[in-house]
Amino acid sequence: AQSVTQLGSHVSVSEGALVLLRCNYSSSVPPYLFWYVQYPNQGLQLLLKYTSAATLVKGINGFEAEFKKSETSFHLTKPSAHMSDAAEYFCAVSEEGSGYSTLTFGKGTMLLVSP
Amino acid sequence: AAGVIQSPRHLIKEKRETATLKCYPIPRHDTVYWYQQGPGQDPQFLISFYEKMQSDKGSIPDRFSAQQFSDYHSELNMSSLELGDSALYFCASSLGLAGLGTYNEQFFGPGTRLTVL
Repeated sequence: AQSVTQLGSHVSVSEGALVLLRCNYSSSVPPYLFWYVQYPNQGLQLLLKYTSAATLVKGINGFEAEFKKSETSFHLTKPSAHMSDAAEYFCAVSEEGSGYSTLTFGKGTMLLVSP
Repeated sequence: AAGVIQSPRHLIKEKRETATLKCYPIPRHDTVYWYQQGPGQDPQFLISFYEKMQSDKGSIPDRFSAQQFSDYHSELNMSSLELGDSALYFCASSLGLAGLGTYNEQFFGPGTRLTVL
């Protein structure tokens, strides 16, 4: 069974500082991995995804993530935080089996950005 | 570009009442997924449909049922509502059936916030 662990329910950074949100996964088969962002009272927006191509994935808004199989990790980074990055971030995993894709989400990490 | 539409956006019900949530997928998308996100929780997969047939089932309570219609829209029916059903319900849609080595991206709607009093 697939699962995702996000370390830290809240992460606080200063504007301009590096953003690092951690995600570790568990999967019995090669997974597809995703990061979604959720702004207050809004839906989920896909930031980036890993689907077995390049291990370093670039997404929207300057975010990127690196798939490390040996560490079963898919951490999300951004070199310089903006105030507008303050939101909740969810890591998710999907396993491709004989048919359909469903997403299993982590518990989420709230990113707080201070001036 | 057209997105996933969910209605209503907000719904308030009393305990033991019923509720129906609707989801209109992106045009030409034939697969619909339902997720439930409780307060401060991660989204949990409930159920999905492909070409009007149930394709996968997650942690959907027996009090809930869902279906996908010929125009691909989907409805989630919830009966005997409980306080614990208060949550944000997301619908997502994708194009096509995912197979080995492929992934069909899910596009999420804005959600329906259900409050049970």
